[in-house]
Amino acid sequence: KTQVEQSPQSLVVRQGENCVLQCNYSVTPDNHLRWFKQDTGKGLVSLTVLVDQKDKTSNGRYSATLDKDAKHSTLHITATLLDDTATYICVVGDRGSALGRLHFGAGTQLIVIP
Amino acid sequence: EAAVTQSPRNKVAVTGGKVTLSCNQTNNHNNMYWYRQDTGHGLRLIHYSYGAGSTEKGDIPDGYKASRPSQENFSLILELATPSQTSVYFCASGARTGRNNQAPLFGEGTRLSVL
Repeated sequence: KTQVEQSPQSLVVRQGENCVLQCNYSVTPDNHLRWFKQDTGKGLVSLTVLVDQKDKTSNGRYSATLDKDAKHSTLHITATLLDDTATYICVVGDRGSALGRLHFGAGTQLIVIP
Repeated sequence: EAAVTQSPRNKVAVTGGKVTLSCNQTNNHNNMYWYRQDTGHGLRLIHYSYGAGSTEKGDIPDGYKASRPSQENFSLILELATPSQTSVYFCASGARTGRNNQAPLFGEGTRLSVL
């Protein structure tokens, strides 16, 4: 059973527009949640990590929220650039230690057009 | 610079053949992981290791073996490759503590086609 669901599956926006990606999960316990960016044909690169019960982070044009009560996270991308075209993957860690498992969503494919 | 290097980047194999995927990390990380990525699925854990000489089964280990001969190297072995193992394989390394602010580092992937 899929424990991390991302929506939308794909999204097309025009350069300069803002967008919001969603992540819902059922992983328990939910120690932390991380967003990765995956360029086509490349590996995953971490964008941000959220830890607290109600958490917010900001990394340049990327900002994210986490609500552990709702088991829900959002990734906001402001003023999109063509280089933002990628797959964005939500990952939930069930423990803070190295013994914990990472639970991966299938990703949202974002395409930014001129 | 921290890095995870996978080889080969692309591989075409025949059904029943043996395939070895290699991974090298220069991060001095204790933990290493092998995942596969298929369309419509999140990354799925095949095997992982806590250090040289150790290998552990992940969530989908059937048909795969792993080898960790040193801190830096972690291999994934398909003794008898099948078309269902056609996928993109990712290696990752992570620190032993795995604390929240230490993200695992990923290689760029190996695209394997089994014909």
